[in-house]
Amino acid sequence: SQQGEEDPQALSIQEGENATMNCSYKTSINNLQWYRQNSGRGLVHLILIRSNEREKHSGRLRVTLDTSKKSSSLLITASRAADTASYFCATDSTGGYQKVTFGTGTKLQVIP
Amino acid sequence: DAGITQSPRHKVTETGTPVTLRCHQTENHRYMYWYRQDPGHGLRLIHYSYGVKDTDKGEVSDGYSVSRSKTEDFLLTLESATSSQTSVYFCAISGTNQPQHFGDGTRLSIL
Repeated sequence: SQQGEEDPQALSIQEGENATMNCSYKTSINNLQWYRQNSGRGLVHLILIRSNEREKHSGRLRVTLDTSKKSSSLLITASRAADTASYFCATDSTGGYQKVTFGTGTKLQVIP
Repeated sequence: DAGITQSPRHKVTETGTPVTLRCHQTENHRYMYWYRQDPGHGLRLIHYSYGVKDTDKGEVSDGYSVSRSKTEDFLLTLESATSSQTSVYFCAISGTNQPQHFGDGTRLSIL
């Protein structure tokens, strides 16, 4: 069963616009990560936010975490065609061997 | 990508045949993982390893076995492949408290 569920499942925007994706999860977490997957490739780690953090930035990425609502959002500002990919959240609820559970992903299309 | 190679990249085989997928890393990372990715399910963990000869089951381990006889190699075996095991398989590696780095996947079709 999936711990994280992304919303929306698919998103299409124009280049230059901002893209927001949301992730909801069910159980308490130690941290939450976001990954990107380009078509035909493996996942690439984007950013990690710990349970005691509320917001984190990395370049054009902004991640927020609300542990009371068990939700996170990923904002990509000033999107580019190269941002076209699927985005997954991953939650680590048990620590230990670093097992994470991935959501089903949001497919983002950025139209030039 | 991050010193991780999966082989083969594509494979077509028949139901009932054994299949072994290989993951090789050059990063000397402790942890290695096998996932499968299917439409509507995202990535699901099959097995993972936390050291040489140390492995454990993931969410969807039935029908799969793994072995890790040395740090750099993690093998996934389907003893008797079934059509439900048609999928894209990803290997990942990570150091302690580090994000996972993924290979580019193996597309496996079982006819």
